[in-house]
Amino acid sequence: EPEVTQTPSHQVTQMGQEVILRCVPISNHLYFYWYRQILGQKVEFLVSFYNNEISEKSEIFDDQFSVERPDGSNFTLKIRSTKLEDSAMYFCATTLTGREKLFFGSGTQLSVL
Amino acid sequence: GESVGLHLPTLSVQEGDNSIINCAYSNSASDYFIWYKQESGKGPQFIIDIRSNMDKRQGQRVTVLLNKTVKHLSLQIAATQPGDSAVYFCAEKEGTSYGKLTFGQGTILTVHP
Repeated sequence: EPEVTQTPSHQVTQMGQEVILRCVPISNHLYFYWYRQILGQKVEFLVSFYNNEISEKSEIFDDQFSVERPDGSNFTLKIRSTKLEDSAMYFCATTLTGREKLFFGSGTQLSVL
Repeated sequence: GESVGLHLPTLSVQEGDNSIINCAYSNSASDYFIWYKQESGKGPQFIIDIRSNMDKRQGQRVTVLLNKTVKHLSLQIAATQPGDSAVYFCAEKEGTSYGKLTFGQGTILTVHP
């Protein structure tokens, strides 16, 4: 089965630093999403992205967060100034048409110290 | 079932038994539901989905039942195997976007050989 690839698998950073999480979507997929999961909690929607624009975003996705697909392949999530509460597993997900099941990557575990 | 904080519901079964995992959803207007399986260190993996115009849908060894009257979703796994051990999440589509999902808290399934 095709896979969504995320890098790095683990990221440790100091509070206040910028981090960029990377995702390589399944090759023909057009709709991209970021979710996060704080340890022991639910998986939460952050943002959806289509045609180089944000389609929807949650309350979590504040001005410290941004997404882009700069080179037509990687889909990135940037956190400008990380906070302790940003520590979580971040999942990228993609779909072909936006009307079927999500394919999730294995996630990036972000630890903010 | 539902849980609070870090205490996920758990289900322990013997290999070969049938498992039933339950989920209560919140939005009576939701029209699409999905079950995901999450193994340790991996992203959510699609198991089966169901639209609100159906009450039941069967896959390979899995069946999803939807009771819209009481807003209840269940996942039945036949002849449970040790490889089925994981956390299982139900999710509902939020609004019009199939990619914006609201996840439940999750249930830990442990299958004993």
